[in-house]
Amino acid sequence: GAVVSQHPSRVICKSGTSVKIECRSLDFQATTMFWYRQFPKQSLMLMATSNEGSKATYEQGVEKDKFLINHASLTLSTLTVTSAHPEDSSFYICSARKGSSYNSPLHFGNGTRLTVT
Amino acid sequence: GQNIDQPTEMTATEGAIVQINCTYQTSGFNGLFWYQQHAGEAPTFLSYNVLDGLEEKGRFSSFLSRSKGYSYLLLKELQMKDSASYLCAVNQAGTALIFGKGTTLSVSS
Repeated sequence: GAVVSQHPSRVICKSGTSVKIECRSLDFQATTMFWYRQFPKQSLMLMATSNEGSKATYEQGVEKDKFLINHASLTLSTLTVTSAHPEDSSFYICSARKGSSYNSPLHFGNGTRLTVT
Repeated sequence: GQNIDQPTEMTATEGAIVQINCTYQTSGFNGLFWYQQHAGEAPTFLSYNVLDGLEEKGRFSSFLSRSKGYSYLLLKELQMKDSASYLCAVNQAGTALIFGKGTTLSVSS
């Protein structure tokens, strides 16, 4: 069964509004979660690493003030897309590693399809 | 810099064998993963290699050569449901994975 749960699966919002996406680890604690973005027919691009109890680490080119990440507990990370614009429309996927070993695979949530009108 | 290359598209027929290649140049290496992704869905884990050689898992096998920066995913006895994107991903520093652009495989009858 699923080990990472992501909600909502789809969201449509108007330009200028904010959208919050939740990512939960099921049956395990995740001190680190990863947020990816995927445009149509493109690969997954790492946006940021979410760290429980501390600030997220953003990849180059990702605006930290636009994509707010909160990792307030060991099982929940949230990504808030603030003042969304049509170019933010994309597939957002969170992931977490179950297990502390670096060879443990990343498990992905089912993704959130964001459409900004 | 970092670079992970895969063919964009491949086609094959049911029952055949297909090999999807991946070459990588990354600043660090802690293993290579292969994922399968159906359209509109999240990626699912297929295999992991950190040492040179072949790892076999049922119909799927994955090979790694670290000295050549090369891996391949071998799919045997292809089925229609194997039509999907296959993503090669490198674990650079034990944290996040860096993904290639993926190979879209189309299996026809």
